[in-house]
Amino acid sequence: EVQLVQSGAEVKKPGESLKISCKTSGYSFTSLWIAWVRQMPGKGLEWMGIIYPGDSDIRYSPSFQGQVTISADKSITTAYLQWSSLKTSDTAMYYCARQAGYNYGLDVWGKGTTVTVSS
Amino acid sequence: DIVMTQTPLSLSVTPGQPASISCRSSQSLLHINGKTYLYWYLQKAGQPPQLLIYEVSNRFSGVPDRFSGSGSTTDFTLKISRVEAEDVGVYYCMQTVQLPYTFGQGTKLEIK
Repeated sequence: EVQLVQSGAEVKKPGESLKISCKTSGYSFTSLWIAWVRQMPGKGLEWMGIIYPGDSDIRYSPSFQGQVTISADKSITTAYLQWSSLKTSDTAMYYCARQAGYNYGLDVWGKGTTVTVSS
Repeated sequence: DIVMTQTPLSLSVTPGQPASISCRSSQSLLHINGKTYLYWYLQKAGQPPQLLIYEVSNRFSGVPDRFSGSGSTTDFTLKISRVEAEDVGVYYCMQTVQLPYTFGQGTKLEIK
């Protein structure tokens, strides 16, 4: 069974750093893309970027380029999303999802990680 | 960026009746390889989105056959032949033909 298990909820202060994770299992981690999607409270879905763990090819949405860093560790089949300096506007649910191919849709999703940034 | 526009933004349907959601893209979603990269998702309350339809008209594994997708180029439709209570939630279309991939605003389906 394919699973994407995301790390737990986080409460942070503005300016702090954060790295959330997406542990995958049940398929070849290095052969498929992993996407990150943001959902702000009460709002819709926003595509942030994708990573191909096989060679660490990363594509960012211009809206998120420079604001977050996507990475992956093949040895533990885990993808990451990190911030160096959080803002209150980063408060949102963040989902990782598997993408079966470069132009394909997101077929398996993690349950999401809630990030709350508040002073 | 390709803008995805869904209509309506909300709809209320009596169980057993049909429902239809439109999704229009600001550019063609037809890839040079002949595939059209338009997807439909349903997000139920408190859950992550789930894939319903891929490449315009193909039902994903386990999706009931009351869901169907159609359309081409820039105009797409998701239809539910007979709405059931479990179909409530927010429906999103998404394009993956061009980076950055983009979602529609979402359409909230409620049961009357």
